Amino acid sequence: EIVLTQSPGTLSLSPGERATLSCRASQSVSSTYLAWYQQKPGQAPRLLIYGASSRATGIPDRFSGSGSGTDFTLTIGRLEPEDFAVYFCQQYDRSSTWTFGQGTKVEIK
Amino acid sequence: QVQLQESGPGLVKPSQTLSLTCTVSGGSIYSGSYYWNWIRQPAGKGLEWIGRLYTSGSTIYNPSLESRLTISVDTSKNQFSLKLKSVTAADTAMYYCARASWNDGWVFDYWGQGTLVTVSS
Repeated sequence: EIVLTQSPGTLSLSPGERATLSCRASQSVSSTYLAWYQQKPGQAPRLLIYGASSRATGIPDRFSGSGSGTDFTLTIGRLEPEDFAVYFCQQYDRSSTWTFGQGTKVEIK
Repeated sequence: QVQLQESGPGLVKPSQTLSLTCTVSGGSIYSGSYYWNWIRQPAGKGLEWIGRLYTSGSTIYNPSLESRLTISVDTSKNQFSLKLKSVTAADTAMYYCARASWNDGWVFDYWGQGTLVTVSS
């Protein structure tokens, strides 16, 4: 099973600042199958990024994804008040199973 | 617009079977190449993929839950269901159903709102 480790656990930033979130895999992951989700309190997760770097429908361009192999990054260019949330990375592998990272909370400083 | 809605008891006693149903609206569960999934999240914790059902009826389960788990489909009602037997307090969580689409690399593009299940006597 591929394990995804996200860092940091919590990121304390102010609106307007840039956020950089990391997702590291225990073995190489196909970029095609690496995604990022945003979750706000009391809500289901929402797809942000698929294929490591493609934005899902309706996602603002301040969200960007990058990376390959075992290291992936989600960047939020300038934090808006609505961006303070928990972010999860997710991978799908050849055994037809999915795993998630443990999440990074982006909180207001 | 596809919508998913979970339903089922919010309280289950230890050692009993947890049963949930996901009703899909806005599209047939048999249309397109989709996997229909269950995912859970203990309070304040991360997401755990439970298992998935393909439109053919084939299933794949999380190995950590496989011995206790059954996911099935009810074609007449456009629903799929989860049964998890011999539950313990560790199974207390928010349970989500979600659709995975091959279009974007098997990502979860539609989610239900979730249903909270508590295991307690």
